[in-house]
Formats: sequence, C-alpha cells, structure tokens
Amino acid sequence: ELKVEQNPLFLSMQEGKNYTIYCNYSTTSDRLYWYRQDPGKSLESLFVLLSNGAVKQEGRLMASLDTKARLSTLHITAAVHDLSATYFCAVELGNSGNTPLVFGKGTRLSVIA
Amino acid sequence: NAGVTQTPKFRVLKTGQSMTLLCAQDMNHEYMYWYRQDPGMGLRLIHYSVGEGTTAKGEVPDGYNVSRLKKQNFLLGLESAAPSQTSVYFCASSYSSAGLRFRELFFGEGSRLTVL
Repeated sequence: ELKVEQNPLFLSMQEGKNYTIYCNYSTTSDRLYWYRQDPGKSLESLFVLLSNGAVKQEGRLMASLDTKARLSTLHITAAVHDLSATYFCAVELGNSGNTPLVFGKGTRLSVIA
Repeated sequence: NAGVTQTPKFRVLKTGQSMTLLCAQDMNHEYMYWYRQDPGMGLRLIHYSVGEGTTAKGEVPDGYNVSRLKKQNFLLGLESAAPSQTSVYFCASSYSSAGLRFRELFFGEGSRLTVL
C-alpha cells in the first residue's frame, strides 16, 4: 500500500524567509505531483515531476524529486503573503495504469509580515 | 473551456434524504474521481472510474454509489445521507497513463454538502 507523508502539516513563516516542505512516499514511483489549494477553493496543479532528479521552478517555488530516496521537496524562496495556501503532494503508483494517485494530508502554509 | 464542472455547489440535506452530485468534464479524459475533503484529513478517494461504464471503490466508499454512463459525466449518489457525510466533495479527471501521458488531475470547484 502506497503511503504519502508530508511534513510539516502546518507552517507559519515570515515574509522574506526560505523554507522547505517535504513529501515522503513508501513505494517505488517516478511520478509526483504538487497542488495548491487556496482557502475555500479548488486544487490547482503546480508541478508535475516525471523522473528522478526532476526539478521544476515557478516564481518563488521550486520542486524536486529524488526517486531513490522516495522524497520530493517544495522549496519556498523569500516567501510572500500570496503564497499562503495549502500544498498537497500526490504520488502515482509506478506506471500500473489504473491505480489512483495517493495524496498527502497537505501542508497549510501561512506567510506573515 | 469549462474544464471540470460540479453541480450543485452547495446543498443542505436532512438525515436520510438522498441526492446526486453531477460532475462533467469536457477534456475527453478517460479517468474520473470523486474525493471528499474534511479538516485535517486531506483528500480521501471515494470512488473512481477508468472509463465509461466502469467504476471502482476508493478509500472511503461506504454510503456512496457512482455511475459513469457517459465518458464526460461521473455521478456521485448518497442513498441515505448521514451527518458524517457532511463534507466538501471534489470531482477530478485525468488522462490515463497510457503512452507518454501522465495523470495530472484537474479538479472541479467543489460541492459543499451539509447533512443535518
């Protein structure tokens, strides 16, 4: 059974600071997804990581994937208030075809002045 | 491009009543999913479908039924609503993993259901 764990689950950080959210998963996979959810809103796709060593960046967010360590990170650089949201990682179980993605519980990020 | 559309967006039910949530997607995706989201629980998969006419159970299927009679629609039914089913329900769709495609999910806006 694939398990996905995110940490921390809650994160309060000051504007301008850097921080990293971690996503660990329990079985082999080379496809990982990051989503963002604003309060009361739906989830939107941030990054799709498709291979070991993949790195994607957009603005102040950078995601990476280490399939050997079964770990993905979402790094926040010089946080701003607009980044306040809940971030989810989701893992695809290999290329088995029909198995749904497994989501982590989410990391609620609050950026304060 | 509408993407994934859920109806209704809000609904209040009394215990024991039944209702159906409708999800429609216009991206020609093979896969469709119903999740529920509760505080501190993340997203939990209720049922999913890998193609027209097929459905499968997810993590928390009890008390729900689904149907996928058309590729673009995925219905979630509550036969006899209970207060424990108060939640926000999200529908999502994706391509299959066939070939070079990957299973990025596209979500609807959510349906907030309250059962009294």
